[in-house]
Amino acid sequence: QVTLKESGPALVKPTQTLTLTCTFSGFSLSTSGMRVSWLRQPPGKALEWLARIDWDDDKFYSTSLKTRLTISKDTSRNQVVLTMTNMDPVDTATYYCARLGYCKGGNCDCGGCFAYWGQGTLVTVSA
Amino acid sequence: DIQMTQSPSTLSAFVGDRVTITCRASQSISSWLAWYQQKPGKAPKLLIYKASYLESGVPSRFSGSGSGTEFTLTISSLQPDDFATYYCQQYNSFSWTFGQGTKVEIK
Repeated sequence: QVTLKESGPALVKPTQTLTLTCTFSGFSLSTSGMRVSWLRQPPGKALEWLARIDWDDDKFYSTSLKTRLTISKDTSRNQVVLTMTNMDPVDTATYYCARLGYCKGGNCDCGGCFAYWGQGTLVTVSA
Repeated sequence: DIQMTQSPSTLSAFVGDRVTITCRASQSISSWLAWYQQKPGKAPKLLIYKASYLESGVPSRFSGSGSGTEFTLTISSLQPDDFATYYCQQYNSFSWTFGQGTKVEIK
């Protein structure tokens, strides 16, 4: 059974750096084809993809946020960490981690879709 | 980035109605499109991937179609559990992007 859970501060001040941890079970990020992403959703608004990390440590970032984001993994702890610098009130959102569909052999039909999600963690940016 | 536009933004329907939601991409994304259902306070749930492939465990009343720039999600007979917000997402090219959502309400 695949599960993911986000953890981190509920409140950060403007200009601070946010660090979020995704702790997962039911799969290993050392397995070829496994990938984990972070996404966010401001209150009442649409979803936004932020970053992705692959089993081979390849990393991909949102075009608009890439200068502020860093994604990393700790395979031994089954964790993926996202840091976002220079937080602003517009970054107030629920942050989700999600596992992408598993790419095996030549089949990657769901390689870019989010098959499993954490429950999300609300981060408020306020002084 | 590829822009995804959903219509309508809100849809009111009766239980039992056939419902169709449209998603348009600003450029061709082949069939690299997913649909999600989200209920208030919950994480999204994957319904459809690669435009028309039903995720395991999703009821067969949900179906997806389309390719290129125009896609649809159809619910053949709306059930009480289906009242939610639906999002499309392209994964043809980075940055992956979502539509703005379609809220399906009870009429």
